Amino acid sequence: SYVLTQPPSVSVAPGETARITCGGNNIGSKNVHWYQQKPGQAPVLVVYYDNDRPSGIPERFSGSNSGNTATLTVSRVEAGDEADYYCQVWDSGSDRGVFGGGTNLAVL
Amino acid sequence: EVQLAESGGGLVQPGGSLRLSCAASGFTFSNYAINWVRQAPGKGLEWVSSISSSGNYIYYADSVKGRFTISRDNAKNSLSLQMDSLRAEDTAVYYCARDMALVYTGDGALDIWGQGTMVTVSS
Repeated sequence: SYVLTQPPSVSVAPGETARITCGGNNIGSKNVHWYQQKPGQAPVLVVYYDNDRPSGIPERFSGSNSGNTATLTVSRVEAGDEADYYCQVWDSGSDRGVFGGGTNLAVL
Repeated sequence: EVQLAESGGGLVQPGGSLRLSCAASGFTFSNYAINWVRQAPGKGLEWVSSISSSGNYIYYADSVKGRFTISRDNAKNSLSLQMDSLRAEDTAVYYCARDMALVYTGDGALDIWGQGTMVTVSS
């Protein structure tokens, strides 16, 4: 089965740039989506199809995807960005959805 | 307002059954595939199942295949997840989520999520 690997945690100071990676075999050939989840809340889509943003999501959120790594970049990090972030793809080989293990973004 | 709302969660004994529902409003339900995603306490998100807009394409995670059944009623704007032979490891918050793609390929993003319903499997 297809596996997505994320670092458990990333820490940045306010105003800095956070980069959250999502590793998978040839993930660059897949569409990657990213979700933000705050405690006690449902996930929210923040980036879709590698680097598109839903309406209402700040431009500070962006994505990239190439080779074996997809990356969610959060620029000018704010305290309100503290959350768990999950990457997600569809594994067409097995017709299964796959989520990464999640990364906790801590704002120092 | 575009919304999904889950219901039907609760406490059930191991080996028992439960049926979850997901009610849609604010959009043309019959145009979109819907997924179930679950989250065990303190754990990450786990994809459970997906059903295409027409119901013709249905997929399950290996962990639930043969025990869970997804279905939809487009006339009633509703989705169901019948869960049988429940195990302790099925304990989780269950979310229904809309696939944003109007042409179903499975790899659309999940743009609308319900608030979740808690399922606890315990004796």
